[in-house]
Amino acid sequence: NAGVTQTPKFQVLKTGQSMTLQCAQDMNHNSMYWYRQDPGMGLRLIYYSASEGTTDKGEVPNGYNVSRLNKREFSLRLESAAPSQTSVYFCASSYYTGELFFGEGSRLTVL
Amino acid sequence: DAKTTQPPSMDCAEGRAANLPCNHSTISGNEYVYWYRQIHSQGPQYIIHGLKNNETNEMASLIITEDRKSSTLILPHATLRDTAVYYCIVSWGTGTASKLTFGTGTRLQVTL
Repeated sequence: NAGVTQTPKFQVLKTGQSMTLQCAQDMNHNSMYWYRQDPGMGLRLIYYSASEGTTDKGEVPNGYNVSRLNKREFSLRLESAAPSQTSVYFCASSYYTGELFFGEGSRLTVL
Repeated sequence: DAKTTQPPSMDCAEGRAANLPCNHSTISGNEYVYWYRQIHSQGPQYIIHGLKNNETNEMASLIITEDRKSSTLILPHATLRDTAVYYCIVSWGTGTASKLTFGTGTRLQVTL
């Protein structure tokens, strides 16, 4: 049972480049989330999807787009990367409770 | 969601109980108290949650005061592997997506 799988685990981008972070869960969860964590800080919610076909903004959505491709997959896209988006990105999923299951994180550096 | 206040850091000797406090004085009647931990730079791990009653599972115990304005997470026999940042979160939590707000938590250092 893989749980929540994120790809890639590491990525270096130049300012202005675009990329997509992929997330997949195999627990049949309804809700999925994208968080970012900057050094020494807590996690901040970027976007979430309460159920398949819906997405909503979290605390820090600017500069990001998301797609809930199906029940299993939730992707995060950076259209034009900026140095301020250098961070560790975590994907999570849950059923209808606050028990979230997190992936191992994707470490993004924007030069 | 209600705000929480936690001490920035705590130490605990291995084998001893670690008691991590959390203040959530503005919690509303339907909000749950959740605890997560993050070991090094891994993804956060769910520990336990509760509404009014005290809860226990294989990882920890959660004690919530009668007025629900504060809670304590207890790791009964801390080990070096429990060294982590512990987050106390208050949220509605059920019936819909759980938009949990992670603060900076308490950094627990377990020592020999």
